[in-house]
Amino acid sequence: AQSVAQPEDQVNVAEGNPLTVKCTYSVSGNPYLFWYVQYPNRGLQFLLKYITGDNLVKGSYGFEAEFNKSQTSFHLKKPSALVSDSALYFCAVRALGGDTGRRALTFGSGTRLQVQP
Amino acid sequence: DTGVSQDPRHKITKRGQNVTFRCDPISEHNRLYWYRQTLGQGPEFLTYFQNEAQLEKSRLLSDRFSAERPKGSFSTLEIQRTEQGDSAMYLCASSPDRVGYNEQFFGPGTRLTVL
Repeated sequence: AQSVAQPEDQVNVAEGNPLTVKCTYSVSGNPYLFWYVQYPNRGLQFLLKYITGDNLVKGSYGFEAEFNKSQTSFHLKKPSALVSDSALYFCAVRALGGDTGRRALTFGSGTRLQVQP
Repeated sequence: DTGVSQDPRHKITKRGQNVTFRCDPISEHNRLYWYRQTLGQGPEFLTYFQNEAQLEKSRLLSDRFSAERPKGSFSTLEIQRTEQGDSAMYLCASSPDRVGYNEQFFGPGTRLTVL
């Protein structure tokens, strides 16, 4: 079974400061890892993904994430937070390969990011 | 905008009634997914179609739930004899069947309230 843990319900950061939203995962084999963002009354928006290759992945809106296999982590980062980054962030995982019928994403419970002006 | 669309956006029903939701995926995306999201939780997978074939179903998909994608384009999710525990946001997502495209693109969701 695969699982995702987002240990922080909420992260508060001042505008202009760096931000980190934590994610750890458990999956059999190699993982596909994703970050999504959810704004109020809107659907999930894809931010970035890790499939293979460089451990540092860059995505939309200046976000990046670092894959760490030994720590089974995929933390989301941004060098300088904006007030408009305030939203709900979800980490998700899927096992790479295996049965082609298995494409379900397993999501974490989400982390609310609050960026203060 | 040619994103994933869902209809209706909101549905209020009484316990015991049947409801049906529709999802229109991004054009040419042959994979389609249904998820359910309750307040304070991340989305939970319900089922997945590749074209018209339903390839994966979660244990969350009880006998009262049925999903179809008859022509490999739009999909419907029906809940029979709704219960208050069915109140949630029902999300649809789609993705293309192309190497390197593993992310799923989500619609705005249908919020179901069962009274």
